[in-house]
Amino acid sequence: DQQVKQNSPSLSVQEGRISILNCDYTNSMFDYFLWYKKYPAEGPTFLISISSIKDKNEDGRFTVFLNKSAKHLSLHIVPSQPGDSAVYFCAVVETSGSRLTFGEGTQLTVNP
Amino acid sequence: GAGVSQSPSNKVTEKGKDVELRCDPISGHTALYWYRQSLGQGLEFLIYFQGNSAPDKSGLPSDRFSAERTGGSVSTLTIQRTQQEDSAVYLCASSHPGYEQYFGPGTRLTVT
Repeated sequence: DQQVKQNSPSLSVQEGRISILNCDYTNSMFDYFLWYKKYPAEGPTFLISISSIKDKNEDGRFTVFLNKSAKHLSLHIVPSQPGDSAVYFCAVVETSGSRLTFGEGTQLTVNP
Repeated sequence: GAGVSQSPSNKVTEKGKDVELRCDPISGHTALYWYRQSLGQGLEFLIYFQGNSAPDKSGLPSDRFSAERTGGSVSTLTIQRTQQEDSAVYLCASSHPGYEQYFGPGTRLTVT
């Protein structure tokens, strides 16, 4: 069963607008949440993270929101830029472990 | 400084042959992970090394898969008697104890 789900395989936005990428998880034991960005033929690049004791973390144009009661995570990118076009993966870590469990990814396309 | 490196970048092999994939982690990182990404799928955890502890092999899909980490640094993932379903991008990551894992560019394995 899929413990981490990204229900939108793709998202297209206009340059300058907000991009919102969503992620849902099922296991309440997850206590650390991350977003990775992946360009073709490259490995994933760490973007931003959030601990379960917080509900928001901001870094420049990127903000991650965590709603623990809904088991929902989102990444906001504003303003979106064409260079943000990539596949975005959410990932989670269990309290007792260290492995990352990834969602299926969302392909973001930012149109000039 | 240097990031995680992997070799080869691409590998084409015939069904039934053995392959070895190599990972050089970031110097000083004690944790090393192997993941794979099959076509259209998210990243799937395979194995995790932490210092001198016994590796977490719980993600290895079959006994044809094995991995070693020599001297706490370089790691080799070996797939014996390759099958077509083994075709994927194999990604290595390393980290200090903590959650931000840094990924290499991956090895694209194609089994014909």
